[in-house]
Amino acid sequence: QLQLQESGPGLVKPSETLSLTCTVSGGSISSSSYYWGWIRQPPGKGLEWIGSIYYSGSTYYNPSLKSRVTISVDTSKNQFSLKLSSVTAADTAVYYCAREDTELDYWGQGTLVTVSS
Amino acid sequence: QSALTQPASVSGSPGQSITISCTGTSSDVGSYNLVSWYQQHPGKAPKLMIYEGSKRPSGVSNRFSGSKSGNTASLTISGLQAEDEADYYCCSYAGRVFGGGTKLTVL
Repeated sequence: QLQLQESGPGLVKPSETLSLTCTVSGGSISSSSYYWGWIRQPPGKGLEWIGSIYYSGSTYYNPSLKSRVTISVDTSKNQFSLKLSSVTAADTAVYYCAREDTELDYWGQGTLVTVSS
Repeated sequence: QSALTQPASVSGSPGQSITISCTGTSSDVGSYNLVSWYQQHPGKAPKLMIYEGSKRPSGVSNRFSGSKSGNTASLTISGLQAEDEADYYCCSYAGRVFGGGTKLTVL
């Protein structure tokens, strides 16, 4: 059974860079056909697609976040990562990683990241 | 990309059927049959309920069904049960955009 697990700091200071890693187990991140994505959900609000990456390194970024987002992949560790720069309080959210086909079929449990000084 | 439009809330009694709509544009919902639906209970990760418009993943009850007409996709839940009370989100892969979410209350 495929499992995804987010990890990273739960508290980030304003203007700094948020960094999260998603570790995939029970399957290879190098599997063809799948992208690997990041989605976030501010407290009490809806879901927002941040971006996705293929094992080859091809990426898709949400146009509204593109200038601040970098997603990378490490196939040797079966992990992919998210960096979001110049964060503000508006970036406080639960961040999820997920496997992406034409749908998001496997999700991590999510990790809350709070932006505060 | 603008978020897809869903009603903020719907409700129904046990045993009844409800339908949640998801309206987009010809660039997302209307372009391909690539709408998916997710169920989210409080404090939990979203769960895939419908993909490619009307397909159910293994293990999802056949009480859940999806359809599409033009730029509007719909999720129907029949035989409502207390456990169906949750937030529901639609998503269009074309545009990688979610709906704003619908809170389902089982009366």
